[in-house]
Amino acid sequence: AQSVTQLGSHVSVSEGALVLLRCNYSSSVPPYLFWYVQYPNQGLQLLLKYTTGATLVKGINGFEAEFKKSETSFHLTKPSAHMSDAAEYFCAVTERTGGFKTIFGAGTRLFVKA
Amino acid sequence: DTAVSQTPKYLVTQMGNDKSIKCEQNLGHDTMYWYKQDSKKFLKIMFSYNNKELIINETVPNRFSPKSPDKAHLNLHINSLELGDSAVYFCASSPATGPYYEQYFGPGTRLTVT
Repeated sequence: AQSVTQLGSHVSVSEGALVLLRCNYSSSVPPYLFWYVQYPNQGLQLLLKYTTGATLVKGINGFEAEFKKSETSFHLTKPSAHMSDAAEYFCAVTERTGGFKTIFGAGTRLFVKA
Repeated sequence: DTAVSQTPKYLVTQMGNDKSIKCEQNLGHDTMYWYKQDSKKFLKIMFSYNNKELIINETVPNRFSPKSPDKAHLNLHINSLELGDSAVYFCASSPATGPYYEQYFGPGTRLTVT
C-alpha cells in the first residue's frame, strides 16, 4: 500500500524567505504525485502535479516541486514567501492500480511572518 | 458559477439523528468522491462514484450511505449520528477515473454532533 509522509506539521518562514515543504512517499510502482493547498474554511485546490516526464513541475502562485525517485521525495518550494501563502498544504499520491485511490499526507501548516 | 457545491455548509445536530449532505458539480466530470477531514486535518476517502457506479467503498460504518442520482450529484446520508462523526466532509470531483486526474473540491460541510 502506498503512503505519504509530510515532515513537519508546522513550518514558519518570514515574508520573502524560501518556502520548503517536505513530502516523502512509499510506493512499489512509480507514483502520480500531487500538492494541494487549503486556505482557512475552504476546500482543497490543486497547486501542481507530477505524472510523467519532466521531474521539475511548476504550479500556480510561484510554487514548484521536484520528483526525486531515488529519494522517494516530492518536496514543494517557493523562492519567496508571501503573506497570502499562509495555508495548509497537502501532499498526495494516487495508486496506479485498483480503484485509483488518492492517499493524502497529514498536511503542513505554513505560517508567514511579516 | 460554483464548480463543486455542497449544502449545508454547517450542520449541528444531536446524537442519534439522521442527516444528509448534498453535493453537486457543474464541471461535467464523471467521477465524484466523499472525504472526511478530522480535527487534525487528516483527509481520508470514504466513497467514490464513476458515472453513478460505486467504485471505492472504504471501511466506513454502514450508517453512512452515499447515493448518486446522476453523475452531477453525490449525496451522503448518515444514520444514527455519533459524536465521532463530527468532522468536515468534503465532496470532490475529477474528469474521470484515473490516477493522473486532479480532484476539484467543494467548500466542505462542517458537521458537529452534540
